[in-house]
Amino acid sequence: AQTVTQSQPEMSVQEAETVTLSCTYDTSENNYYLFWYKQPPSRQMILVIRQEAYKQQNATENRFSVNFQKAAKSFSLKISDSQLGDTAMYFCAFYPSNTGKLIFGQGTTLQVKP
Amino acid sequence: ETGVTQSPTHLIKTRGQQVTLRCSSQSGHNTVSWYQQALGQGPQFIFQYYREEENGRGNFPPRFSGLQFPNYSSELNVNALELDDSALYLCASSLDRSNSEAFFGQGTRLTVV
Repeated sequence: AQTVTQSQPEMSVQEAETVTLSCTYDTSENNYYLFWYKQPPSRQMILVIRQEAYKQQNATENRFSVNFQKAAKSFSLKISDSQLGDTAMYFCAFYPSNTGKLIFGQGTTLQVKP
Repeated sequence: ETGVTQSPTHLIKTRGQQVTLRCSSQSGHNTVSWYQQALGQGPQFIFQYYREEENGRGNFPPRFSGLQFPNYSSELNVNALELDDSALYLCASSLDRSNSEAFFGQGTRLTVV
């Protein structure tokens, strides 16, 4: 079965500091995508960053970057210079190619403190 | 804003009733997926519609059904509501069925009492 595991239910970080959220996944697929989504209290799921499994280079979007370790099936998210607006629930998600479905982890609640 | 809109935003129903949730996909997107998100959990895939046909289904009973219309908007119907159906229901649209990037609506919060 394909699964996604986020082992940190809650994290906190001081404003302007750096935090890393962990994610591991299990699959026998070779072609897939990985995502981090942010879900603030407004409930809307917002795409933070995306990684194609065939790309060795780690994806970066402004303050957000990933550490993708394909062999270890690990996909962590690093948030640099944390801002109060980063407070939200973060979900790691796995998309096996052409299946049409995202498989989500349980989520990590991130609190950025002033 | 993603351009994906869901209605209603909140809904309260009684056990045994039926409910219909609606989703308008982003302009140009022909694929819609539905997810159920229980409180404090990650979303679970219900099913996907591509060009008005069901294109994959998760582990949900047949009382969860859907429709997609020619304008690619979609409905999720749930019959014989149970208390455990209480959840946030999320709709996501994508450019086509092979495109991994999904854009989510703000969800419908369903409470079954």
